[in-house]
Amino acid sequence: GENVEQHPSTLSVQEGDSAVIKCTYSDSASNYFPWYKQELGKRPQLIIDIRSNVGEKKDQRIAVTLNKTAKHFSLHITETQPEDSAVYFCAANSGGSNYKLTFGKGTLLTVNP
Amino acid sequence: GAGVSQSPSNKVTEKGKDVELRCDPISGHTALYWYRQSLGQGLEFLIYFQGNSAPDKSGLPSDRFSAERTGGSVSTLTIQRTQQEDSAVYLCASSLNPSSTNEKLFFGSGTQLSVL
Repeated sequence: GENVEQHPSTLSVQEGDSAVIKCTYSDSASNYFPWYKQELGKRPQLIIDIRSNVGEKKDQRIAVTLNKTAKHFSLHITETQPEDSAVYFCAANSGGSNYKLTFGKGTLLTVNP
Repeated sequence: GAGVSQSPSNKVTEKGKDVELRCDPISGHTALYWYRQSLGQGLEFLIYFQGNSAPDKSGLPSDRFSAERTGGSVSTLTIQRTQQEDSAVYLCASSLNPSSTNEKLFFGSGTQLSVL
């Protein structure tokens, strides 16, 4: 089955700096890669996703890049703000399935004011 | 309702007891998922319901775990003879229709299960 590795497990940055979180996946049939943000005590929420037919997608201060050959994808957050502090999870669909997502173990991002 | 609703929000039980967790998805969402979130771990897929199709139970960790979805709406996750390793947050999610395209998941706030 699909295996998703996520690094780093914790990341601390100063406000205004950039943050990068990286994930690798094992299933070459995976074609959908969402990122979820979970603030402390809250539910996970989708922040951005990318499909395998594109290499990069941006939404304001966040962007995701995908390298299908290397089977890795990354989340980039620029001009970080304290409200970006949360746990971020990457995911990949399994076996080309539209519904079954395998999640990484999460990255705790702390943005220090 | 406005979002995915789960109850109870917290459940403390004794080892060996059975528990039932409830999920009420967003109205009109055909797909419903259960995930388990243990401390320091990712979200572990448990089971998936889509319309009237047979559920995908491939993520259920043992035969002590079962789930049903009545009338294509509310779902209950049942854990029999609970063990301490069952302690985790159980998250329910729903999505509009993942069979056509990959749809985003709307998560509930979860049930924190503690098995003493």
